[in-house]
Amino acid sequence: DAKTTQPPSMDCAEGRAANLPCNHSTISGNEYVYWYRQIHSQGPQYIIHGLKNNETNEMASLIITEDRKSSTLILPHATLRDTAVYYCIASASAGNMLTFGGGTRLMVKP
Amino acid sequence: GAVVSQHPSWVICKSGTSVKIECRSLDFQATTMFWYRQFPKQSLMLMATSNEGSKATYEQGVEKDKFLINHASLTLSTLTVTSAHPEDSSFYICSARDLVGKGSPEQYFGPGTRLTVT
Repeated sequence: DAKTTQPPSMDCAEGRAANLPCNHSTISGNEYVYWYRQIHSQGPQYIIHGLKNNETNEMASLIITEDRKSSTLILPHATLRDTAVYYCIASASAGNMLTFGGGTRLMVKP
Repeated sequence: GAVVSQHPSWVICKSGTSVKIECRSLDFQATTMFWYRQFPKQSLMLMATSNEGSKATYEQGVEKDKFLINHASLTLSTLTVTSAHPEDSSFYICSARDLVGKGSPEQYFGPGTRLTVT
């Protein structure tokens, strides 16, 4: 898996969009960008993934740069329950063993 | 969606005893399950990959004789921490890979087991 780099922490106001960046400059052509989050003392939860195109689901949007060297996870209207550690992972498949980096600790504040 | 359960959710044991943690895929079959360990304020670290019907593959630095993994069926993998010591206290998380690739997510995580060794 390609190495990913994320800021260790971010704050976001409740109701505002949370934009979480991730750098993956050495990502391979066959590697997807996966995002998981881990709420305190729980197992990781899948959020979204993408290869080249931007993706959106009910939880979030994923914007991947054209050169695929970075991406941004967008939570459009953050709530207090979105407070968690968010992990960006580059992998050829989510079925492979996943290498978790430090992640970004997002604190959503009222 | 696919659900992975772990049992127990938390356990306290005395130093020197063994404890078994179960990981079950509830509504899908999993030929492969992964075991992770997470210390406080740290990220998840892969311990081993468990394949149904064969020996587990351990990551470097993980003692296979201390962390016994059994994956006897397509829906159950167990991790046994033998002769537990306080330094084994951690959050143990399993994940399971869906046998039938449905696209992503293909790996589903359990809720974790908090082990405290006194």
